[in-house]
Amino acid sequence: GDSVTQMEGPVTLSEEAFLTINCTYTATGYPSLFWYVQYPGEGLQLLLKATKADDKGSNKGFEATYRKETTSFHLEKGSVQVSDSAVYFCALSDRRETSGSRLTFGEGTQLTVNP
Amino acid sequence: DTGVSQNPRHKITKRGQNVTFRCDPISEHNRLYWYRQTLGQGPEFLTYFQNEAQLEKSRLLSDRFSAERPKGSFSTLEIQRTEQGDSAMYLCASSLDWVGFPEAFFGQGTRLTVV
Repeated sequence: GDSVTQMEGPVTLSEEAFLTINCTYTATGYPSLFWYVQYPGEGLQLLLKATKADDKGSNKGFEATYRKETTSFHLEKGSVQVSDSAVYFCALSDRRETSGSRLTFGEGTQLTVNP
Repeated sequence: DTGVSQNPRHKITKRGQNVTFRCDPISEHNRLYWYRQTLGQGPEFLTYFQNEAQLEKSRLLSDRFSAERPKGSFSTLEIQRTEQGDSAMYLCASSLDWVGFPEAFFGQGTRLTVV
């Protein structure tokens, strides 16, 4: 079945540091890929998405490129802020007819950014 | 509309008791999903509704679990004879039904603790 693997966490960085969170996936079809973020006490929010190979999703300074050849969708940000501290989830959707657009999530990566 | 609403936010119950959670999706969304999230893990798909029809159920949804969406609007998730292993965050999400990938909007979840 479909699966998503994220780099082991947690990740602790200083403000303005460069961030990379690795994500690789296994899927039988041709999935869409997503990064969701969960701030403390809040629900999951879509951060960015990419629906086909070589697409780059971007939002709030975060970027991720859909790499079909390496089955990866790594999240990057050039300069993190304290407000970026949250749990980040990589996810995929294979858009099967019977399951709508259900998501398969990775285990999440806790990011803490210190001032 | 303020987004996906879930009630209650927290529920503590004794083992063996029945519990019911409610999800109110964004009003024009005809797709509704339930996920379960245990500590330190990503959300796992439980079930999916297209309007009032329950189109898919995960193997995680044992016969003690039942979900309904009687009029294609709000949904309920009931757990009968709760077990300690049912302790988790139960998340609801909703989305539109159109070609392409519609963003899923998540509620803040109901945290269940079985003692």
